[in-house]
Amino acid sequence: QKEVEQDPGPLSVPEGAIVSLNCTYSNSAFQYFMWYRQYSRKGPELLMYTYSSGNKEDGRFTAQVDKSSKYISLFIRDSQPSDSATYLCAMSRGPAGTASKLTFGTGTRLQVTL
Amino acid sequence: DGGITQSPKYLFRKEGQNVTLSCEQNLNHDAMYWYRQDPGQGLRLIYYSQIVNDFQKGDIAEGYSVSREKKESFPLTVTSAQKNPTAFYLCASSMRDLNGYTFGSGTRLTVV
Repeated sequence: QKEVEQDPGPLSVPEGAIVSLNCTYSNSAFQYFMWYRQYSRKGPELLMYTYSSGNKEDGRFTAQVDKSSKYISLFIRDSQPSDSATYLCAMSRGPAGTASKLTFGTGTRLQVTL
Repeated sequence: DGGITQSPKYLFRKEGQNVTLSCEQNLNHDAMYWYRQDPGQGLRLIYYSQIVNDFQKGDIAEGYSVSREKKESFPLTVTSAQKNPTAFYLCASSMRDLNGYTFGSGTRLTVV
């Protein structure tokens, strides 16, 4: 079993829809949780970075972490065609810049249609 | 603008040859990382370095080597010992904080 599980999709939604992307994990030591967006043939770009459980909102994006269920989510409101990309969840025991390894999900491919 | 520059964008290598991928950052980040991305497998850590002149193996270091002689630079050499080198290689950097990791735009290596 992988440490981080993520549905690969593809997930296709109409423009303006609310998108829910999810990851589950098995390692209870994970404390730092991230969501990255990756366009085709590009490097991932950080969307959200949260510590421990709770919610974090940034514009149309909301990240939720439920450590009791080992479940994290990214919600995208009013989805746009420019949101079409692969979304990667990632998590670690320690903060960025330490020896703590970042473990990634396999990514969910999202397609927002007109 | 601050960022991470990876070069070249595309690289072709013959079997049995070593090849070096470049990664340069001007973000003044202490830590740098190399990941490999394969379809359906997510990103896997090859090597990482927290300070100059020091680096550690990641999960899949066999067949790879790195150096960290300068804070800004963390080149990755893919040696002939790497049995399946065709992949998308990503370099990243970070500070010890909650600003996460910054990735370069990647190098796609193809063995021909």
